[in-house]
Amino acid sequence: ELKVEQNPLFLSMQEGKNYTIYCNYSTTSDRLYWYRQDPGKSLESLFVLLSNGAVKQEGRLMASLDTKARLSTLHITAAVHDLSATYFCAVPPNTGNQFYFGTGTSLTVIP
Amino acid sequence: ETGVTQTPRHLVMGMTNKKSLKCEQHLGHNAMYWYKQSAKKPLELMFVYNFKEQTENNSVPSRFSPECPNSSHLFLHLHTLQPEDSALYLCASSQVWQGSYEQYFGPGTRLTVT
Repeated sequence: ELKVEQNPLFLSMQEGKNYTIYCNYSTTSDRLYWYRQDPGKSLESLFVLLSNGAVKQEGRLMASLDTKARLSTLHITAAVHDLSATYFCAVPPNTGNQFYFGTGTSLTVIP
Repeated sequence: ETGVTQTPRHLVMGMTNKKSLKCEQHLGHNAMYWYKQSAKKPLELMFVYNFKEQTENNSVPSRFSPECPNSSHLFLHLHTLQPEDSALYLCASSQVWQGSYEQYFGPGTRLTVT
């Protein structure tokens, strides 16, 4: 079974600071997805990374994928309170459409 | 309606009840999924349907019974549930074998078993 690990699990950061969330996975995959979940809400798609070296940016968030290292990063620049949420990475194996989700990183941005 | 819809949004049921959760996708996708999200646990994939055919059943107890009558609709039939089945049940859909395979999620059904 494909294992997906995120760290940190909990992150409390001040507004204006930068930080990186890491997502490691255990088997070969050339795709990775990042989702955001607000409390009591569903998952919202943030980034779709489809190849080694893919980098996507949206506002203060930037995601990258290194399939050789089996690692994705979600970098937060100059955090603002609106970014407070839980962030999940999801990885499918190279065959099949089943997603394996990480445990999630609960981010709190403090004024 | 757009995207993925789920009904009901909240459900409270006793252990002897029978109820069903409904999911509908308006995206023209060919795959649908049921997930369970419990507090402090990773998202658990329960069932996968590709082109209306069930392709994954991740050791889900038989008190959960999925049904996919067509590629736009997915049901989860519930009977004799246990309190530990209380969770947020999420439905998702995607287009497989072309494109990004990105999964789009519905708003979820918050289930409480008493």
